[in-house]
Amino acid sequence: GDSVTQMEGPVTLSEEAFLTINCTYTATGYPSLFWYVQYPGEGLQLLLKATKADDKGSNKGFEATYRKETTSFHLEKGSVQVSDSAVYFCALKVDNAGGTSYGKLTFGQGTILTVHP
Amino acid sequence: AAGVIQSPRHLIKEKRETATLKCYPIPRHDTVYWYQQGPGQDPQFLISFYEKMQSDKGSIPDRFSAQQFSDYHSELNMSSLELGDSALYFCASSWGGPSTDTQYFGPGTRLTVL
Repeated sequence: GDSVTQMEGPVTLSEEAFLTINCTYTATGYPSLFWYVQYPGEGLQLLLKATKADDKGSNKGFEATYRKETTSFHLEKGSVQVSDSAVYFCALKVDNAGGTSYGKLTFGQGTILTVHP
Repeated sequence: AAGVIQSPRHLIKEKRETATLKCYPIPRHDTVYWYQQGPGQDPQFLISFYEKMQSDKGSIPDRFSAQQFSDYHSELNMSSLELGDSALYFCASSWGGPSTDTQYFGPGTRLTVL
């Protein structure tokens, strides 16, 4: 079945450090890939997405590139801020109507990011 | 901009009781998804509806049922509640059916079963 694996956390960084959170996936069909962010006590917010191989999603200084050859969608940010502290979820959605997961999002286990001043 | 509305935000129930969670999608959105997030866990897909018909089903217990109404809001009905049902329940909505890329999430309903 479809699955997403994220690097184990938590991740603790100092402000202005470089961030990488690894994400790899297994999917039938042709997935779209997403990063969602969850701030304490809040719901999930879409951070960025990529819908086909070699696409790069970007938002608020975060970037991730859809790598079909390595089945990866790693999240990066060049300089993190304290306000980036949150839980980050990698997710996929299969767009194949003949597959077993039409429409639903499959999430990774989440990575807790803490940024210190 | 209008967002997904969920009610109630918090709910406390006893074991074996029933609970009803409501979700109001973004205006003009026709697709609703329900997810369950246990403590420290990733969200798990429960069920989805498109144009008032069930479009996909995940790991939803038989004790749970859901529907989407003519105004596109959705309700998740949970019966014979168990301690393990304590979780954050998210609703998400989108427009144009399940093939649409972006799902917009509500703030969630935190259900506590005592």
